[in-house]
Amino acid sequence: GAVVSQHPSWVICKSGTSVKIECRSLDFQATTMFWYRQFPKQSLMLMATSNEGSKATYEQGVEKDKFLINHASLTLSTLTVTSAHPEDSSFYICSAGRVNTEAFFGQGTRLTVV
Amino acid sequence: KQEVTQIPAALSVPEGENLVLNCSFTDSAIYNLQWFRQDPGKGLTSLLLIQSSQREQTSGRLNASLDKSSGRSTLYIAASQPGDSATYLCAVSLAGGGGNKLTFGTGTQLKVEL
Repeated sequence: GAVVSQHPSWVICKSGTSVKIECRSLDFQATTMFWYRQFPKQSLMLMATSNEGSKATYEQGVEKDKFLINHASLTLSTLTVTSAHPEDSSFYICSAGRVNTEAFFGQGTRLTVV
Repeated sequence: KQEVTQIPAALSVPEGENLVLNCSFTDSAIYNLQWFRQDPGKGLTSLLLIQSSQREQTSGRLNASLDKSSGRSTLYIAASQPGDSATYLCAVSLAGGGGNKLTFGTGTQLKVEL
């Protein structure tokens, strides 16, 4: 299967700072990647669709100015949580896949804002 | 809006038992359905992918079926082992994502005891 790498796997930051999470497709080119968020004891919720070379598409209720997504190349998408607050503490995970095939996920990033 | 539900939410079985996990979805117009495994604090491992035109898929001790018209899928695990303990998630694809934009179920937390 395809390999998707996410970094960092965990991060602790102070309230008000920004955190960048990287998602890379290692063995294929991904024109589209997806970012999900998972709160404790809950399932994964789609946040946004990252499109290479164009603006991301955000799901309803997700603040685009707070969660900045950049998909500058066919193998890299980044999610920046700006001015993070404790309520942003969550598990963030990205996925990618070749069109019409299964989705592969990164290892996820555990964000804790203190 | 697509909603995905999994039953049971939690399951504890003795080693060696065969078991069935259930997944239901409200909108039958899916592109495909995937079953994932998630270990605590970790990312997702893809187990099986069933395209909308397929009825079932098998991999080792796992067998997944799909009845698109009734909005149901089951994951059958044969001869369960303690290493199978994890949370199992089903996810259906949404239109416009090339099969990779997913709506996740609520998950079934499985514990296989010695």
